[in-house]
Formats: sequence, structure tokens, C-alpha cells
Amino acid sequence: DGGITQSPKYLFRKEGQNVTLSCEQNLNHDAMYWYRQDPGQGLRLIYYSQIVNDFQKGDIAEGYSVSREKKESFPLTVTSAQKNPTAFYLCASRPGQMNTEAFFGQGTRLTVV
Amino acid sequence: GENVEQHPSTLSVQEGDSAVIKCTYSDSASNYFPWYKQELGKGPQLIIDIRSNVGEKKDQRIAVTLNKTAKHFSLHITETQPEDSAVYFCAASYGNNRLAFGKGNQVVVIP
Repeated sequence: DGGITQSPKYLFRKEGQNVTLSCEQNLNHDAMYWYRQDPGQGLRLIYYSQIVNDFQKGDIAEGYSVSREKKESFPLTVTSAQKNPTAFYLCASRPGQMNTEAFFGQGTRLTVV
Repeated sequence: GENVEQHPSTLSVQEGDSAVIKCTYSDSASNYFPWYKQELGKGPQLIIDIRSNVGEKKDQRIAVTLNKTAKHFSLHITETQPEDSAVYFCAASYGNNRLAFGKGNQVVVIP
């Protein structure tokens, strides 16, 4: 079955540590996105990538990094520079054409302990 | 960038009644407006979308209307059922194939 997979579902991190969230899709989509969701804040864009080996900062990129070495994969690293990393992180993908549906993964809940 | 506002933040309805959620957007160049439903602990799923060349779209109990002049669009759910209880997000396209989301609306259907 085609879809977008995020792992792990739950992640705990100690302060000062970097952590990487995985996002894989087998939908053959060109574009991939990372969003952060906090209670009452909706979805805020962290980074996005329209094509392999290219990505752009979203609205809240500080303290995060990404890579897009393969079409299927778009991992997000939450660095120690992110001051408030505890949140629900969502990955999405879309075909390269404009005005098409975004497909979301099931999310990763990151908690800093 | 695009700014999407969503109202109300919480909506409680009796089972069988209708629910309406309204969104406004700021970028007049936006031309794609999807609605997503999110259940607790899961990722959002598309329930309906509309493009700017139409004013209304319906899919069974769900409909969306778009007023480009006023820059607002609405989700209508008729004959609500308990399984309609969820958080609903509206979104609008902008810029380089991006979507801007509203803050979400918690819909509670009371049996």
C-alpha cells in the first residue's frame, strides 16, 4: 500500500541532544514538508523540499535541519539549538503539481526530558 | 505569506444537526483550499477541497463554499454523527507550492 510513514511514534530526548525524526514515502511525490503542531497553534511549516537535493526554510526553521538525498526520504533533525522542541511533528508529501492534496504521516510526538 | 484565520475554535452540536466552520485568508493569489480532519494522535486527512474556479463543492454530508471576493470559505457538515467529532483544519495555497493552515476547530458531536 502506498503511503507516508513516520517513525518513531514517540520519542524522548534529553536536553542538549540532537534527535532525528524519520519520514519515508512511497507515493512517488516530489514535494515533502515538515510541520510542527502545538496545542491551539495549528500546523506551522518548518522546512519543505520540492525536489531531491533541494530544500527551503519554512516559517519556524531555527533549531532544525533537514536533508533530501533521496526522493522517498526527508529526515528532520531537531538540534540542541531548538529552545522548545516538545511538540507533535508531522511530515507530509504532495505531487509536484500545484493545488494537489497533501498526504500526512501519523506524526511523531517528541518530548524533552 | 498567507494568513489563514479559522472560527470558531470549538463547536458543539447535537447529533443530527449541522456544523459550519468558517475560514478567511489574506493572499488573493491563493487558488486551492483543502479541509483536513484530524483524530486524536493521528495525522490530518483530507476530507474535501475546492479550487478557485468553483464556488461550491459537495461530497455526501460534507460541502465547502468559496467566496473569492470576500476571501473566505466554509465547511458544512450536515446530519452530524458522533464519528464527526475531531479537529478540522482549513488551509490555503500560497507561494512555492505551500499550504498555510488555520489553527483548527474542535468539533464535538453530542449524542
